[in-house]
Amino acid sequence: DQQVKQNSPSLSVQEGRISILNCDYTNSMFDYFLWYKKYPAEGPTFLISISSIKDKNEDGRFTVFLNKSAKHLSLHIVPSQPGDSAVYFCAASARRSNFGNEKLTFGTGTRLTIIP
Amino acid sequence: SAVISQKPSRDICQRGTSLTIQCQVDSQVTMMFWYRQQPGQSLTLIATANQGSEATYESGFVIDKFPISRPNLTFSTLTVSNMSPEDSSIYLCSVGGLFRAGGLETQYFGPGTRLLVL
Repeated sequence: DQQVKQNSPSLSVQEGRISILNCDYTNSMFDYFLWYKKYPAEGPTFLISISSIKDKNEDGRFTVFLNKSAKHLSLHIVPSQPGDSAVYFCAASARRSNFGNEKLTFGTGTRLTIIP
Repeated sequence: SAVISQKPSRDICQRGTSLTIQCQVDSQVTMMFWYRQQPGQSLTLIATANQGSEATYESGFVIDKFPISRPNLTFSTLTVSNMSPEDSSIYLCSVGGLFRAGGLETQYFGPGTRLLVL
């Protein structure tokens, strides 16, 4: 049972344009969401997170939007740069119900390619 | 953020042998986790490494196959026992319990150990 889904395995975007990566989840107990970026042969790098009490969080070129009613979140990268080419993972945790335990459930990832 | 190192970075092992992976973090953390990423797949949590007590394993993972130690707040080991080719994977440790600006906790990952079992 895949509780966190990233339905687009790959995405190509022109440099300078906006990249939008999508993520859906099924577990209504999830209350904290994160995006990670992963290059080959490296561990995932934390990008941005959002708590379920918010619907938007922004950090520089990265913005995460959360739609709780639709159980959907998205990561916007603008403007997209060649260095953004990587695999992006969406992750979720149910911290309140797990007494603060941060164990994460990951999506399957989306490979983003920025075209110069 | 925390600086996390893992040893070894990669290894090639024979079927039936065991490999112990070390994870060291440069600051004390409350939570340490071990994940696996099999080829072409997402990250799957193996277990939560608890300091001073037995690890908490996720469904499908057992202590006999993946014994874990966590002797203090900065170090943990994961052993992959009696290996088979199906254990070929990237093994990652992560740490949590670190507070970012705004009070939100997040989780940081080590560089991973790439394991190939022949």
